[in-house]
Amino acid sequence: DGGITQSPKYLFRKEGQNVTLSCEQNLNHDAMYWYRQDPGQGLRLIYYSQIVNDFQKGDIAEGYSVSREKKESFPLTVTSAQKNPTAFYLCASTGYNEQFFGPGTRLTVL
Amino acid sequence: DQQVKQNSPSLSVQEGRISILNCDYTNSMFDYFLWYKKYPAEGPTFLISISSIKDKNEDGRFTVFLNKSAKHLSLHIVPSQPGDSAVYFCAAKGVAAGGTSYGKLTFGQGTILTVHP
Repeated sequence: DGGITQSPKYLFRKEGQNVTLSCEQNLNHDAMYWYRQDPGQGLRLIYYSQIVNDFQKGDIAEGYSVSREKKESFPLTVTSAQKNPTAFYLCASTGYNEQFFGPGTRLTVL
Repeated sequence: DQQVKQNSPSLSVQEGRISILNCDYTNSMFDYFLWYKKYPAEGPTFLISISSIKDKNEDGRFTVFLNKSAKHLSLHIVPSQPGDSAVYFCAAKGVAAGGTSYGKLTFGQGTILTVHP
């Protein structure tokens, strides 16, 4: 089955720790994206990558980092510098116009 | 600067009636618009889209209307079903001022649709 997988589904971390969220796609899409969703705020773009070994900051990149070493993978690291990391994180990829989303990861900082 | 706005946080509709979800945008460079449906704790799923060269696109119970002069689009669901209850996001794509934005979408805040049996 073609699609986007994100792991884990739920993630807990202690304040001050870095954590990495996984995103893998087998749709052969060049472009991949990371969003966070907070209640009442829709989806806000964190980082995106249009091609392997290249990525750009989105609207709320502070406190996050990414890498794109393989076409299929676009991991997101939430660093201790992110002030409000508790959120629902969504990964997406696009072939042309439509974006396809993974199931999301709920990150909770304790 | 909210370039895509969904001004109604929620909408309640009776089963079998029409649901109309609205979306406004400010950036005239947007040339492609999409609607997504999202259940809690899941990723959004693509519903329907429309190019700026059209004013209407229909897919089964879902129809999207685009009014470019008013920078307004709407999603009509007829007839509404309880399974349609979800959060609906509109999104827009286009070349942003100052650079390319291949595939990059700008999302509205979402509208919670509740369809009562």
